[in-house]
Amino acid sequence: GQSLEQPSEVTAVEGAIVQINCTYQTSGFYGLSWYQQHDGGAPTFLSYNALDGLEETGRFSSFLSRSDSYGYLLLQELQMKDSASYFCAVAGTNAGKSTFGDGTTLTVKP
Amino acid sequence: IAGITQAPTSQILAAGRRMTLRCTQDMRHNAMYWYRQDLGLGLRLIHYSNTAGTTGKGEVPDGYSVSRANTDDFPLTLASAVPSQTSVYFCASSEGSGGYEQFFGPGTRLTVL
Repeated sequence: GQSLEQPSEVTAVEGAIVQINCTYQTSGFYGLSWYQQHDGGAPTFLSYNALDGLEETGRFSSFLSRSDSYGYLLLQELQMKDSASYFCAVAGTNAGKSTFGDGTTLTVKP
Repeated sequence: IAGITQAPTSQILAAGRRMTLRCTQDMRHNAMYWYRQDLGLGLRLIHYSNTAGTTGKGEVPDGYSVSRANTDDFPLTLASAVPSQTSVYFCASSEGSGGYEQFFGPGTRLTVL
């Protein structure tokens, strides 16, 4: 089977930097995606890593190490609106490989 | 406006009743997915379709069925609803079957009593 592990909760203050880690065990792995979900809303795509290294998109960056089966999402210059749940997800050889972690709830405090 | 629509937005259903959740996308994406999300938890894949005419079982398929007669529509049917199927259901699509960038519909909140 496939499984992903990420911390359940993270708390940080406005303006800070926070890192959300994700480890995975899977077969047919293509890459790791990250999604954001605000309370009551639908998940929205943030980033995708197919290759090892860092991908930067504005205040958000995502990292992947395929050899370590590990990735992380880095959020910089935190804002109150960043309070949400963040999910890592495996992209695989076909749609049936799609697996999401249980999510990390990020709380940003003033 | 391009995207995914789901209907209904919410529904309260008596146990034992049949229910179809509708999902339509206008992005001409090949792959489509149905997930359920229980309170405070992640998304679990129910069924998926790599392309029109094909479907497959995900992690939690029991009690659900799907069809993919064309590219745009991917309905999810609960043949005989049970209280454990109370959840929020999200439909999603992706251009490729790898699913690395999925677009989600607004969700259907289903309560089975």
